[in-house]
Amino acid sequence: RKEVEQDPGPFNVPEGATVAFNCTYSNSASQSFFWYRQDCRKEPKLLMSVYSSGNEDGRFTAQLNRASQYISLLIRDSKLSDSATYLCVVHLQGAQKLVFGQGTRLTINP
Amino acid sequence: DGGITQSPKYLFRKEGQNVTLSCEQNLNHDAMYWYRQDPGQGLRLIYYSQIVNDFQKGDIAEGYSVSREKKESFPLTVTSAQKNPTAFYLCASSIKRERGYEQYFGPGTRLTVT
Repeated sequence: RKEVEQDPGPFNVPEGATVAFNCTYSNSASQSFFWYRQDCRKEPKLLMSVYSSGNEDGRFTAQLNRASQYISLLIRDSKLSDSATYLCVVHLQGAQKLVFGQGTRLTINP
Repeated sequence: DGGITQSPKYLFRKEGQNVTLSCEQNLNHDAMYWYRQDPGQGLRLIYYSQIVNDFQKGDIAEGYSVSREKKESFPLTVTSAQKNPTAFYLCASSIKRERGYEQYFGPGTRLTVT
């Protein structure tokens, strides 16, 4: 079983729609969680950290469910510029390295 | 501006040659990392270094070597022993925040070996 699993998609949604991705992780000792965004042929960029209480940044909301070991990302009022691959990332307690999911590809259509 | 630089952006080599990819950061981060990404795939960790003069193998270290003589620099050598070296190589550095480590990436080097 992969340490971090994501549905690779692709997700194709119309502009203005709400879209949600989930990600599951296998190691219960995982300590920190992040969502990264990667545009085609570019480097990943940190989108937001995921806090236990859930957190919001504009149109983006991240949730963590430790009991079920999954993380979610919700994008409201999607824009064409949200088209990208979204990477779920987990940091294991005691390790100074991150584990990346393979990413979920999102395309927003006009 | 603080950041991570990688050079060159594109690199072409003949099979059997060693090649060194550059990674420099001026963020004063202690930890640095090298990843490889293949088309349609996630990131795979090659090597990482938590402090100067120390580094650890990642998940796919075979055929690669690194050095960490300076805090700012973490070059990666792709040796001729690497069976499938053509890939997108990403360097990153990280800083510990209150809620964990945040990692930042350089722009990457696309290596093509023929």
